[in-house]
Amino acid sequence: ETGVTQSPTHLIKTRGQQVTLRCSSQSGHNTVSWYQQALGQGPQFIFQYYREEENGRGNFPPRFSGLQFPNYSSELNVNALELDDSALYLCASSPRGPSRAGDTQYFGPGTRLTVL
Amino acid sequence: SQQGEEDPQALSIQEGENATMNCSYKTSINNLQWYRQNSGRGLVHLILIRSNEREKHSGRLRVTLDTSKKSSSLLITASRAADTASYFCATVISSGSARQLTFGSGTQLTVLP
Repeated sequence: ETGVTQSPTHLIKTRGQQVTLRCSSQSGHNTVSWYQQALGQGPQFIFQYYREEENGRGNFPPRFSGLQFPNYSSELNVNALELDDSALYLCASSPRGPSRAGDTQYFGPGTRLTVL
Repeated sequence: SQQGEEDPQALSIQEGENATMNCSYKTSINNLQWYRQNSGRGLVHLILIRSNEREKHSGRLRVTLDTSKKSSSLLITASRAADTASYFCATVISSGSARQLTFGSGTQLTVLP
């Protein structure tokens, strides 16, 4: 197991609501990435945070937003939930910033979000 | 869009047999990684192979990389029931100043006891 933790494990929301997912990085890791994984698919990159700033974003709308805190933990916020937001949300931490040394990422167990 | 695509999508073998999974990708890479995912949980990093390497071993795992064909393969020897999982290849692309992992759709491996 990695040292990355996520909460909650499971979450059920209704369409239009807002949700906050949390992630605690592995010790010594200063970069956090978030991924969305739909059923039967590979993870899709949402965004990455380094030193509390977003430094890269995938093809996701602005209602997906995030934060990184001074202790490198992170939050993913999704506003105006849609049915298609139902997925497993994974966070991953890596050491030493957005360099090649950080290419290997260490994943948490994920949060399963269901939107009804 | 997916950068890598795994083949086959599903593979079922008997315990003790070898399992081979293939991955193709589209753009130039610095390295290629393989991850395992058990039953909808988090991904576990298995092995990283750099673009200047052709083959790499780690325990029962053997990874090959052919940059001219933009393809990689993962071989698991002497498979065990505990190897049952989804396997993903991933490459790194730059997105802004971030270096993001781009995954294929995965191969679902089932090892029958």
